[in-house]
Amino acid sequence: AQKITQTQPGMFVQEKEAVTLDCTYDTSDPSYGLFWYKQPSSGEMIFLIYQGSYDQQNATEGRYSLNFQKARKSANLVISASQLGDSAMYFCAMTNSGGGADGLTFGKGTHLIIQP
Amino acid sequence: NAGVTQTPKFQVLKTGQSMTLQCAQDMNHNSMYWYRQDPGMGLRLIYYSASEGTTDKGEVPNGYNVSRLNKREFSLRLESAAPSQTSVYFCASSEELPKFHYTFGSGTRLTVV
Repeated sequence: AQKITQTQPGMFVQEKEAVTLDCTYDTSDPSYGLFWYKQPSSGEMIFLIYQGSYDQQNATEGRYSLNFQKARKSANLVISASQLGDSAMYFCAMTNSGGGADGLTFGKGTHLIIQP
Repeated sequence: NAGVTQTPKFQVLKTGQSMTLQCAQDMNHNSMYWYRQDPGMGLRLIYYSASEGTTDKGEVPNGYNVSRLNKREFSLRLESAAPSQTSVYFCASSEELPKFHYTFGSGTRLTVV
Protein backbone atom coordinates (compact mmCIF):
# COMPACT_ATOMS: atom_id res chain seq x y z
CA ALA A 1 0.00 0.00 0.00
CA GLN A 2 1.09 3.55 -0.68
CA LYS A 3 2.09 5.83 2.15
CA ILE A 4 2.72 9.57 2.24
CA THR A 5 4.47 11.28 5.14
CA GLN A 6 4.48 15.03 5.70
CA THR A 7 6.53 15.77 8.79
CA GLN A 8 5.81 19.49 9.15
CA PRO A 9 2.38 20.04 10.71
CA GLY A 10 2.85 23.80 10.57
CA MET A 11 5.28 26.37 9.20
CA PHE A 12 5.68 30.13 9.61
CA VAL A 13 7.57 31.90 6.82
CA GLN A 14 8.31 35.55 6.12
CA GLU A 15 6.78 36.99 2.97
CA LYS A 16 9.06 36.85 -0.09
CA GLU A 17 11.15 34.03 1.34
CA ALA A 18 11.34 30.66 -0.40
CA VAL A 19 9.52 27.76 1.24
CA THR A 20 10.21 24.04 1.12
CA LEU A 21 7.44 21.66 2.19
CA ASP A 22 8.63 18.12 2.84
CA CYS A 23 7.04 14.96 1.51
CA THR A 24 8.33 11.40 1.59
CA TYR A 25 6.50 8.47 0.12
CA ASP A 26 6.59 4.72 0.15
CA THR A 27 5.54 2.38 -2.63
CA SER A 28 6.67 -0.82 -4.26
CA ASP A 29 5.26 0.21 -7.65
CA PRO A 30 7.76 1.21 -10.33
CA SER A 31 5.27 3.60 -11.93
CA TYR A 32 3.47 6.26 -9.93
CA GLY A 33 2.52 9.91 -9.90
CA LEU A 34 3.08 12.50 -7.22
CA PHE A 35 0.88 15.54 -6.66
CA TRP A 36 0.74 18.63 -4.52
CA TYR A 37 -2.54 20.34 -3.67
CA LYS A 38 -3.29 23.60 -1.90
CA GLN A 39 -6.35 23.93 0.33
CA PRO A 40 -7.09 27.52 1.40
CA SER A 41 -9.41 28.30 4.29
CA SER A 42 -12.34 28.31 1.84
CA GLY A 43 -11.87 24.55 1.54
CA GLU A 44 -11.43 23.80 -2.14
CA MET A 45 -8.61 21.55 -3.37
CA ILE A 46 -6.38 23.36 -5.84
CA PHE A 47 -3.95 21.36 -7.98
CA LEU A 48 -0.43 22.77 -7.94
CA ILE A 49 2.00 20.39 -9.58
CA TYR A 50 2.51 16.83 -10.81
CA GLN A 51 5.60 14.62 -11.11
CA GLY A 52 5.63 11.25 -12.84
CA SER A 53 8.03 8.62 -11.54
CA TYR A 54 9.67 8.29 -14.95
CA ASP A 55 9.94 12.01 -15.61
CA GLN A 56 13.58 12.92 -16.13
CA GLN A 57 13.25 16.51 -15.01
CA ASN A 58 11.77 18.03 -11.90
CA ALA A 59 8.35 19.53 -12.51
CA THR A 60 7.84 23.29 -12.42
CA GLU A 61 4.66 25.36 -12.56
CA GLY A 62 5.24 29.09 -12.18
CA ARG A 63 6.45 29.74 -8.60
CA TYR A 64 6.09 26.06 -7.72
CA SER A 65 8.70 23.39 -8.30
CA LEU A 66 8.91 19.82 -7.14
CA ASN A 67 12.27 18.58 -5.89
CA PHE A 68 12.00 14.92 -6.86
CA GLN A 69 14.64 12.60 -5.38
CA LYS A 70 13.59 9.15 -6.45
CA ALA A 71 16.24 7.17 -4.56
CA ARG A 72 15.26 8.92 -1.32
CA LYS A 73 11.54 8.64 -2.14
CA SER A 74 11.22 12.35 -1.58
CA ALA A 75 8.99 14.86 -3.39
CA ASN A 76 9.38 18.23 -1.71
CA LEU A 77 7.42 21.26 -2.89
CA VAL A 78 9.36 24.49 -3.27
CA ILE A 79 7.52 27.81 -3.42
CA SER A 80 9.71 30.67 -4.54
CA ALA A 81 9.10 34.25 -3.34
CA SER A 82 6.22 33.43 -1.01
CA GLN A 83 3.15 35.66 -0.92
CA LEU A 84 0.49 36.26 1.73
CA GLY A 85 -1.98 34.39 -0.48
CA ASP A 86 0.13 31.25 -0.16
CA SER A 87 -1.12 30.79 3.40
CA ALA A 88 -3.06 27.51 3.29
CA MET A 89 -2.91 23.78 3.94
CA TYR A 90 -0.70 21.88 1.50
CA PHE A 91 -1.15 18.20 0.76
CA CYS A 92 1.19 15.78 -0.92
CA ALA A 93 -0.46 12.81 -2.64
CA MET A 94 0.44 9.86 -4.84
CA THR A 95 -1.40 7.52 -7.17
CA ASN A 96 -2.59 4.22 -5.77
CA SER A 97 -1.36 0.90 -7.07
CA GLY A 98 -3.80 0.74 -9.95
CA GLY A 99 -1.88 3.42 -11.80
CA GLY A 100 -4.09 6.33 -10.85
CA ALA A 101 -7.59 5.27 -11.87
CA ASP A 102 -8.07 3.92 -8.35
CA GLY A 103 -7.45 7.24 -6.66
CA LEU A 104 -4.83 9.00 -4.58
CA THR A 105 -3.31 8.50 -1.14
CA PHE A 106 -2.82 11.78 0.73
CA GLY A 107 -0.50 12.90 3.49
CA LYS A 108 -1.84 14.69 6.55
CA GLY A 109 -0.79 18.07 5.26
CA THR A 110 1.29 21.08 6.26
CA HIS A 111 -0.31 24.30 7.44
CA LEU A 112 1.72 27.12 5.92
CA ILE A 113 1.36 30.64 7.27
CA ILE A 114 3.07 33.51 5.46
CA GLN A 115 3.83 36.46 7.70
CA PRO A 116 4.20 40.05 6.40
CA ASN B 1 -17.86 26.26 -16.08
CA ALA B 2 -16.57 22.75 -16.61
CA GLY B 3 -15.88 20.85 -13.43
CA VAL B 4 -17.24 18.70 -10.64
CA THR B 5 -20.50 19.71 -8.98
CA GLN B 6 -21.49 18.39 -5.56
CA THR B 7 -24.79 18.80 -3.80
CA PRO B 8 -25.63 19.71 -1.12
CA LYS B 9 -22.87 21.98 0.23
CA PHE B 10 -24.00 21.63 3.82
CA GLN B 11 -26.16 19.08 5.61
CA VAL B 12 -27.10 18.25 9.19
CA LEU B 13 -28.45 14.77 9.88
CA LYS B 14 -29.71 13.04 12.96
CA THR B 15 -28.14 9.74 13.92
CA GLY B 16 -29.82 6.94 11.98
CA GLN B 17 -31.08 9.12 9.13
CA SER B 18 -30.11 8.37 5.56
CA MET B 19 -29.04 10.65 2.77
CA THR B 20 -27.40 10.67 -0.64
CA LEU B 21 -24.63 13.01 -1.71
CA GLN B 22 -24.77 13.80 -5.40
CA CYS B 23 -21.81 14.37 -7.70
CA ALA B 24 -21.69 15.16 -11.42
CA GLN B 25 -18.83 16.00 -13.78
CA ASP B 26 -19.03 17.41 -17.27
CA MET B 27 -15.48 16.70 -18.44
CA ASN B 28 -16.17 13.23 -19.86
CA HIS B 29 -13.83 11.65 -17.31
CA ASN B 30 -13.91 7.90 -16.91
CA SER B 31 -12.94 7.71 -13.23
CA MET B 32 -14.73 9.22 -10.24
CA TYR B 33 -14.06 9.18 -6.50
CA TRP B 34 -15.46 9.96 -3.09
CA TYR B 35 -13.14 11.12 -0.30
CA ARG B 36 -13.67 12.25 3.24
CA GLN B 37 -11.58 14.77 5.13
CA ASP B 38 -11.47 14.89 8.91
CA PRO B 39 -9.69 17.55 11.03
CA GLY B 40 -5.93 17.13 10.99
CA MET B 41 -6.13 14.53 8.26
CA GLY B 42 -5.62 14.43 4.57
CA LEU B 43 -8.30 13.12 2.28
CA ARG B 44 -9.13 9.42 2.59
CA LEU B 45 -10.66 7.44 -0.23
CA ILE B 46 -14.11 5.97 0.48
CA TYR B 47 -15.08 4.47 -2.89
CA TYR B 48 -14.08 4.91 -6.47
CA SER B 49 -15.37 4.07 -9.92
CA ALA B 50 -12.59 3.49 -12.43
CA SER B 51 -15.08 3.39 -15.30
CA GLU B 52 -18.81 3.48 -15.89
CA GLY B 53 -20.39 0.34 -14.51
CA THR B 54 -17.69 -0.44 -11.93
CA THR B 55 -17.24 0.56 -8.31
CA ASP B 56 -14.62 -0.46 -5.76
CA LYS B 57 -13.89 0.08 -2.09
CA GLY B 58 -11.23 2.49 -0.99
CA GLU B 59 -9.55 2.90 2.36
CA VAL B 60 -12.63 3.70 4.49
CA PRO B 61 -15.78 2.21 2.86
CA ASN B 62 -17.67 1.03 5.95
CA GLY B 63 -21.06 2.70 6.38
CA TYR B 64 -21.26 3.92 2.78
CA ASN B 65 -22.62 2.76 -0.56
CA VAL B 66 -22.10 4.23 -4.00
CA SER B 67 -23.80 4.22 -7.38
CA ARG B 68 -22.25 5.12 -10.71
CA LEU B 69 -25.46 6.18 -12.35
CA ASN B 70 -23.86 6.98 -15.71
CA LYS B 71 -20.56 8.37 -16.91
CA ARG B 72 -21.32 11.80 -15.45
CA GLU B 73 -22.79 10.95 -12.06
CA PHE B 74 -21.46 9.19 -8.97
CA SER B 75 -23.50 9.26 -5.77
CA LEU B 76 -22.58 8.40 -2.18
CA ARG B 77 -25.23 7.08 0.20
CA LEU B 78 -25.23 6.94 3.96
CA GLU B 79 -27.89 4.40 4.93
CA SER B 80 -27.84 5.02 8.69
CA ALA B 81 -25.74 8.05 9.58
CA ALA B 82 -23.48 7.95 12.63
CA PRO B 83 -21.65 10.80 14.40
CA SER B 84 -18.35 9.26 13.19
CA GLN B 85 -19.43 10.16 9.67
CA THR B 86 -19.31 13.86 10.46
CA SER B 87 -16.79 15.08 7.92
CA VAL B 88 -16.22 17.06 4.76
CA TYR B 89 -16.86 14.95 1.67
CA PHE B 90 -15.17 15.58 -1.65
CA CYS B 91 -16.08 14.13 -4.99
CA ALA B 92 -13.44 14.05 -7.72
CA SER B 93 -12.95 12.85 -11.26
CA SER B 94 -9.81 12.14 -13.24
CA GLU B 95 -8.44 11.88 -16.72
CA GLU B 96 -5.41 9.81 -17.66
CA LEU B 97 -3.96 11.35 -20.75
CA PRO B 98 -1.54 12.88 -21.23
CA LYS B 99 -1.03 12.42 -17.50
CA PHE B 100 -3.31 11.86 -14.55
CA HIS B 101 -5.18 14.98 -13.53
CA TYR B 102 -7.77 15.06 -10.78
CA THR B 103 -10.53 17.66 -10.46
CA PHE B 104 -12.24 18.07 -7.11
CA GLY B 105 -15.67 19.35 -6.24
CA SER B 106 -16.08 22.09 -3.65
CA GLY B 107 -17.03 19.68 -0.88
CA THR B 108 -20.03 18.83 1.30
CA ARG B 109 -19.83 19.59 4.99
CA LEU B 110 -21.87 16.93 6.78
CA THR B 111 -22.68 17.00 10.48
CA VAL B 112 -24.37 14.04 12.17
CA VAL B 113 -25.85 14.82 15.58
